[in-house]
Formats: sequence, structure tokens, C-alpha cells
Amino acid sequence: EDKVVQSPLSLVVHEGDTVTLNCSYEVTNFRSLLWYKQEKKAPTFLFMLTSSGIEKKSGRLSSILDKKELFSILNITATQTGDSAVYLCAVDRRDDKIIFGKGTRLHILP
Amino acid sequence: GAVVSQHPSRVICKSGTSVKIECRSLDFQATTMFWYRQFPKQSLMLMATSNEGSKATYEQGVEKDKFLINHASLTLSTLTVTSAHPEDSSFYICSAKRGGIGRYGYTFGSGTRLTVV
Repeated sequence: EDKVVQSPLSLVVHEGDTVTLNCSYEVTNFRSLLWYKQEKKAPTFLFMLTSSGIEKKSGRLSSILDKKELFSILNITATQTGDSAVYLCAVDRRDDKIIFGKGTRLHILP
Repeated sequence: GAVVSQHPSRVICKSGTSVKIECRSLDFQATTMFWYRQFPKQSLMLMATSNEGSKATYEQGVEKDKFLINHASLTLSTLTVTSAHPEDSSFYICSAKRGGIGRYGYTFGSGTRLTVV
């Protein structure tokens, strides 16, 4: 059975700290790994990763994929209170289905 | 680009009634749309895959007669929760796949919070 496991499930840090969110997966027909940020409503897209070892960056956020070890990490540096959200990791399969992890609930204290 | 509009954003209905949720791709054609359900503090669970012009494909454990999906055009899919009960109260989100792999591979609607009283 396909599964995507995220850790930690929740995390509380102070503003300015750096956090690393983890995602491991066992999914058949892997096509890409996706990271989303979910605040109050629908998830917003952060990254799509298809190749191992190539870091993707967007401002203070970065992510990398290891297809051999079947995991990905999402880093957020110099965290701000606006980074508080649930971060979802998902694997996109070649049959177009997306399998989501349970998410990491991140709370940034001012 | 790649905007998906979902309506209504919030609905309260009486137990036993039916509720229709619409999902529209505004600036692209979506041959495939996906419907998810999310309980509080849980992840998104895929309910069904909606295919334009054909029957939806439901995930195991999802009642197809209760959650009716219609994908009548390349820009519109609807989810109807029939004979709703309080346990159907949840957050429902649709997503649409834009053709090809790229920045906008999957776009989510803003979600519908359904409360059945």
C-alpha cells in the first residue's frame, strides 16, 4: 500500500529559527514529489521535485529529493510568524493520483 | 494562470438533504479533476477521480451512490453529497490537473466546508 510519512507531525519554534521538515515515501509509479503549504483553506503549491540531489529554492524555503533513500526535506530558514501553517508532502503517481502525508503542523512563536 | 474556482466555500445543510459543490477550471481545460476530503487536523484523502465525459473512479471505501460526481465539461466537475448526515461534515477540496508536468501541474480549489446539522 502506498504511503507518505511526514515527521515531525507538529513543531513549535521561535521566529528566526531554521526548521527542517521530513517526508519519506513508499509509492508505486512515482512521478514527482510535491510540497504544499496549507493555512486555513486549500493547499498552495511550493515545490515539485523529480530529480535526486537537485535543490529547489524559493526565498527562505528550499527542498531536495533523494530517490534512492525515498525521502525529501523541506527547509525554512529565518522563520517568520507567517510561516505558521501545515506543510503537506505528497507524491504524484504516473496515473495522476496524489498520495498525501498527514502534514507537519508548524507554529512559529514571535 | 491555472486557477480553480470552487463554490460554495461554506455550506450548512439539514440532515437528509443533498448538497452540490462545483469545481471550475477558469483558464485551462481539465480532463481530469480530483475530489478530496479532509477532516480536522488530518491530511487530504482522495475520494474520487473525475473524468470528463465518463464515469468517475472512486477510491476504496467511498460510496459512489452517496457522493455523486459529474464532469460534464472540460472546465466543470460537481460533487453532490446526497442524503447528507452529520458524519459527512468535512472540508471538501477539488483539484485539477493542467496538461503536462510543470509549475502548475495540480491546482487546488479553495475548498468547501460542509456542516450537516
